Amino acid sequence: GAGVSQSPRYKVAKRGQDVALRCDPISGHVSLFWYQQALGQGPEFLTYFQNEAQLDKSGLPSDRFFAERPEGSVSTLKIQRTQQEDSAVYLCASSSRQDSRNTEAFFGQGTRLTVV
Amino acid sequence: QKEVEQDPGPLSVPEGAIVSLNCTYSNSAFQYFMWYRQYSRKGPELLMYTYSSGNKEDGRFTAQVDKSSKYISLFIRDSQPSDSATYLCASQRRVTGNQFYFGTGTSLTVIP
Repeated sequence: GAGVSQSPRYKVAKRGQDVALRCDPISGHVSLFWYQQALGQGPEFLTYFQNEAQLDKSGLPSDRFFAERPEGSVSTLKIQRTQQEDSAVYLCASSSRQDSRNTEAFFGQGTRLTVV
Repeated sequence: QKEVEQDPGPLSVPEGAIVSLNCTYSNSAFQYFMWYRQYSRKGPELLMYTYSSGNKEDGRFTAQVDKSSKYISLFIRDSQPSDSATYLCASQRRVTGNQFYFGTGTSLTVIP
């Protein structure tokens, strides 16, 4: 596809339920990021992949959050035992650059997660 | 204290006005500075990026960085209703630049 695709666009989960959010980056993009955006806030970094390697997961808020990119393309962000504070928009971004200057990152439209 | 601070607004201006959006940052290691535009229920899209201090112009948009005061600005000339969106500033470190640090975003409305 032409851009970063995320699915589902909207997800309502009951507290305690596990969820999986999918990101299809732009074809050939090496770098992939996950961000969490709470209502009225800027995106907060969660984790970063270069190809299939998860090089930085310092932003994951707890061990309930897990991300993978097993073949270096599609990525999945999994949240176990969801809590109300997990309600946010989860954004995925990809970039073609392999070095650290990933300034031209393209964002998907996000998955809006609501935990009830 | 957040790494990047931004006045959330909201900001409302008449069509044709010059808009000034500003951020401050605290980390001297930041070398790359970006402005993103985010329409409602959409992902952020990159508008401008600059490296270190200086100005960069692209059409009606001008980005400025003053590293001595740790101040980031975006100017929009001849603002249009289609510019109505949330504007996010972001910064990235020099060495380990894998994550962007975003401000909270400023909501802008341009009134026809």
